[in-house]
Amino acid sequence: EPEVTQTPSHQVTQMGQEVILRCVPISNHLYFYWYRQILGQKVEFLVSFYNNEISEKSEIFDDQFSVERPDGSNFTLKIRSTKLEDSAMYFCASRDRTTYNEQFFGPGTRLTVL
Amino acid sequence: GEDVEQSLFLSVREGDSSVINCTYTDSSSTYLYWYKQEPGAGLQLLTYIFSNMDMKQDQRLTVLLNKKDKHLSLRIADTQTGDSAIYFCAECESGGYNKLIFGAGTRLAVHP
Repeated sequence: EPEVTQTPSHQVTQMGQEVILRCVPISNHLYFYWYRQILGQKVEFLVSFYNNEISEKSEIFDDQFSVERPDGSNFTLKIRSTKLEDSAMYFCASRDRTTYNEQFFGPGTRLTVL
Repeated sequence: GEDVEQSLFLSVREGDSSVINCTYTDSSSTYLYWYKQEPGAGLQLLTYIFSNMDMKQDQRLTVLLNKKDKHLSLRIADTQTGDSAIYFCAECESGGYNKLIFGAGTRLAVHP
């Protein structure tokens, strides 16, 4: 069964460093998302991506964040200068055109900023 | 803005029914969802309900929707130890690119 994959599973970085979180969505999907979950808090929407551009972003997704789909299979989230408060689990999701909007989630990348 | 609330913890005995509750604020939500997260895994869609439905049954799962009170529940019949997980309620805003608004998740613990 096709699935969304994410790498790495755990990333540790120093404050101020850049990180790139990688996702491989399901191959025929058209809509892509990043969400994050700070420990003990809700899963929060960050950004949606469709037709090679950002379609919607939350207020969390400031200038430090960017997304790319560089090669038609990978979908990346870059944080340019990490802060302590960026420590969270980051989930990638993708979907096709189903009417009920089923989003398929990856297992997540745990980002720890020291 | 939109908000989804759910209780954080539920403990049940194996074989009993579990009922996980959720309230939401966006009355224009088109779909409401229950996702399951097992340790080390992503969020897996369990079931969904369209906003013009009151109830949906899928094997051991029953979803009840009270639109007036903006209350959603998930009932798991004959709960098994394999049902131990975190269950997330989510709503999909109408229009736009369908971002999901999640609750904080209910941790279900099933004991013998």
